[in-house]
Amino acid sequence: GQQVMQIPQYQHVQEGEDFTTYCNSSTTLSNIQWYKQRPGGHPVFLIQLVKSGEVKKQKRLTFQFGEAKKNSSLHITATQTTDVGTYFCAGRGGNNRKLIWGLGTSLAVNP
Amino acid sequence: NAGVTQTPKFQVLKTGQSMTLQCAQDMNHNSMYWYRQDPGMGLRLIYYSASEGTTDKGEVPNGYNVSRLNKREFSLRLESAAPSQTSVYFCASSPSGGTYEQYFGPGTRLTVT
Repeated sequence: GQQVMQIPQYQHVQEGEDFTTYCNSSTTLSNIQWYKQRPGGHPVFLIQLVKSGEVKKQKRLTFQFGEAKKNSSLHITATQTTDVGTYFCAGRGGNNRKLIWGLGTSLAVNP
Repeated sequence: NAGVTQTPKFQVLKTGQSMTLQCAQDMNHNSMYWYRQDPGMGLRLIYYSASEGTTDKGEVPNGYNVSRLNKREFSLRLESAAPSQTSVYFCASSPSGGTYEQYFGPGTRLTVT
């Protein structure tokens, strides 16, 4: 079945360093969504990418969707302690409304 | 707007007991979902409801039943709880158009002893 692999599983950085998490799908996606879950909290929607090669920015966060629509990345520039949490990607293929979730990347930031 | 609400927030059950997790949304969303989250396992879909009156199995439906009571409410029932069902349960809803992004409730932390 369709799978979305997310790497790395964990990342520990010093405050001010950059961070990137990657998602790779076994099949072409119609779109991909990114969510953030703070420790002890619930996932919160960040953004959706739809177009091949799409790049979107939210302040220090940059999201990319690959040309083949099978991979995506989230890059955080100059991490802050407020960035701590788990970042999930979730892809949707074709007309299927069910999201296929990656296992998430947990980010820890040392002040 | 309260968004997505879930009750209870915490629950401890003994093996074999039953319970119902409640979920309600006030965003007029058509679709609703139940997930469980276990360490290292990400979010796994238990059941979903694309619209009022319909429900479908997700990735891990065994041991669970659901009811879409109306457009607002979607409940998850454990008929005979097992320790393997110890988890954090999230309810979510999404609109039928636009980005279909999912809005999550605060979760129910369930322990089965």
